[in-house]
Amino acid sequence: DAGITQSPRHKVTETGTPVTLRCHQTENHRYMYWYRQDPGHGLRLIHYSYGVKDTDKGEVSDGYSVSRSKTEDFLLTLESATSSQTSVYFCAISESTRWRAENTIYFGEGSWLTVV
Amino acid sequence: AQTVTQSQPEMSVQEAETVTLSCTYDTSENNYYLFWYKQPPSRQMILVIRQEAYKQQNATENRFSVNFQKAAKSFSLKISDSQLGDTAMYFCAFMKPSLNFGNEKLTFGTGTRLTIIP
Repeated sequence: DAGITQSPRHKVTETGTPVTLRCHQTENHRYMYWYRQDPGHGLRLIHYSYGVKDTDKGEVSDGYSVSRSKTEDFLLTLESATSSQTSVYFCAISESTRWRAENTIYFGEGSWLTVV
Repeated sequence: AQTVTQSQPEMSVQEAETVTLSCTYDTSENNYYLFWYKQPPSRQMILVIRQEAYKQQNATENRFSVNFQKAAKSFSLKISDSQLGDTAMYFCAFMKPSLNFGNEKLTFGTGTRLTIIP
């Protein structure tokens, strides 16, 4: 158990509305990630964070923004949700520290988002 | 860019039998990590096993073992004495070590849906 909690776990929203997903971790991990899972694609990286206020884009970042104002929380925002953003979103952490690479990623339980 | 291919979309096997899931990958890197993740119907992603490319010895975790063939870029997962709880989607994933710790990005295959038949 990597101590990751995602909220909400399920959400239905309308096209054009903003949506924020929250990832909360309790073990002071420095590195956090947001992935999305779609049929036929496996999981793909949206954004990641390597510290408070330090974030960078992944391979499918268009239409998404992130923020990390505290070590324990990593927020994913869909500024104006579209039907193509209907997906399962996974938060993940790495146990790497600033001085040691663990090279292993652990995932939260996922957030189901439906955009209608 | 790295790619990961899982050529078996679905498999099924009788309970207690052994099953092998295939995974191939393409990379020009010499040092990297490979993973198998399990996704049961609950959809949680669970790390099953991890292999470091510089280690020749195949990783094992209880009933799960891998056959890592670096030259062939092959990384198969063997599940021995399969159990009903092994029914899940299995994803193979590749990670290139990053110069910046934490920039550890996974590239996933499309998954193999495994069903264990009672």
